[in-house]
Amino acid sequence: QSVLTQPPSVSEAPRQRVTISCSGSSSNIGRNAVNWYQQLPGKAPKLLIYYDDVMPSGVSDRFSGSKSGTSASLAISGLQSEDEADYYCAAWDDSLNGWVFGGGTKLTVL
Amino acid sequence: EVQLVESGGGLVQPGRSLRLSCAASGFTFDRYAMHWVRQAPGKGLEWVSGITWNGANVAYADSVKGRFTMSRDNAKNSLYLQMNSLRIEDTALYYCTRSYPSGPRDAFDVWGQGTMVTVSS
Repeated sequence: QSVLTQPPSVSEAPRQRVTISCSGSSSNIGRNAVNWYQQLPGKAPKLLIYYDDVMPSGVSDRFSGSKSGTSASLAISGLQSEDEADYYCAAWDDSLNGWVFGGGTKLTVL
Repeated sequence: EVQLVESGGGLVQPGRSLRLSCAASGFTFDRYAMHWVRQAPGKGLEWVSGITWNGANVAYADSVKGRFTMSRDNAKNSLYLQMNSLRIEDTALYYCTRSYPSGPRDAFDVWGQGTMVTVSS
């Protein structure tokens, strides 16, 4: 059972938009920044979004992040087949004094 | 090129020890906090441990506290994870990762390819 809650899977058609939610609590998302990672099959994770909504250089602007209260979301617009991957949210947890991850969401592009 | 290369994984019996290493290159190692993150086969990501730039502060997940010790040698641009009293549930791919912009509560922007640890009798 992960501290941060994500839907196990989402699916959408190419060129459409999808959002992935991440629910936490006041000790993690409510107080600290949320980061999002993409993990392609067989690959190491890649940082997509940090500080809730900041994109590292080189990341497509089709990805965007937002946060409200104790929940965060990752939006992917203009879906492409290469977006099929597992997506993880993460945040520092003040109560646990460590990082916590969501269980991951598998994105399928139909 | 910014790079992290893990090594030291392998097959080990329950209760035994293993030491992982991570060699950093292409960036000023001693300016960054570093972490170990693991992924059990077919499962999600789990943070294991993190260390500040100078090694003064180290944090651990409850699942490994008291059994694992994380350290670094800035002169050698290297990160280590000493794993003792290994359990079957420690079986995972262990990633070395860097904090960005730099602090231990910042995101993980560079990842190694991982080193596999299998705990089995």
